[in-house]
Amino acid sequence: EVQLVESGGGLVKPGGSLRLSCAASGFTFNNAWMGWVRQAPGKGLEWVGRIKSETDGGTTDFAAPVKGRFTISRDDSKNMMYLHMNSLKTEDTGVYYCTTGGNWGRYRVLDYWGQGALVTVSS
Amino acid sequence: QAVVTQEPSLTVSPGGTVTLTCGSSTGAVTSRHYPYWFQQRPDQAPRTLIYDTANKHSWTPARFSGSLLGGKAALTLSGAQPEDEAEYYCLLSYSGAWVFGGGTKLTVL
Repeated sequence: EVQLVESGGGLVKPGGSLRLSCAASGFTFNNAWMGWVRQAPGKGLEWVGRIKSETDGGTTDFAAPVKGRFTISRDDSKNMMYLHMNSLKTEDTGVYYCTTGGNWGRYRVLDYWGQGALVTVSS
Repeated sequence: QAVVTQEPSLTVSPGGTVTLTCGSSTGAVTSRHYPYWFQQRPDQAPRTLIYDTANKHSWTPARFSGSLLGGKAALTLSGAQPEDEAEYYCLLSYSGAWVFGGGTKLTVL
């Protein structure tokens, strides 16, 4: 069974930084593409970014609102993915979901979802 | 950035059929947009119902189906159940950049 567990959420001031973690299990992590989706309070879903498997280059892609401020990394030895958020703005407030395609392989990132971690950016 | 449009709200009777649509500001939606559909019940994480236009996961109820219809992606629910009351989101891919629609609030009443 695929499991994704986010952690690291919390309250941070505008301009600050925060790192979210995603612990993954139930699939072959090093072959999987991983991603992040967020949801502002009472709003819809917004794609944040994704990271390819190391086999496929380990490169990352981001949505325009976070490009240059957010980075994604992965530690295949620990089955972990991270979202590093810098220069945070109030509009970055929301629940951040870890996603993956699991054993579906490349290009698949949105098949499985974690329960989410709340990030609040406020002074 | 492209804008993906969905009906803000729809209502279906129990046992009835309803079609939700997903349009693109750039023109007709095609299979190359790899449409996805997600269901989100209140206070729950989203779950993926449909991927690549019409493919279902093992957990997708058979009453849901995906298609392309009139230049849009479509999610059809045939035989609505009370538990289908939820928010439904579509997503389209634009050369690797993913954009969600604003969501459709489906009421089963």
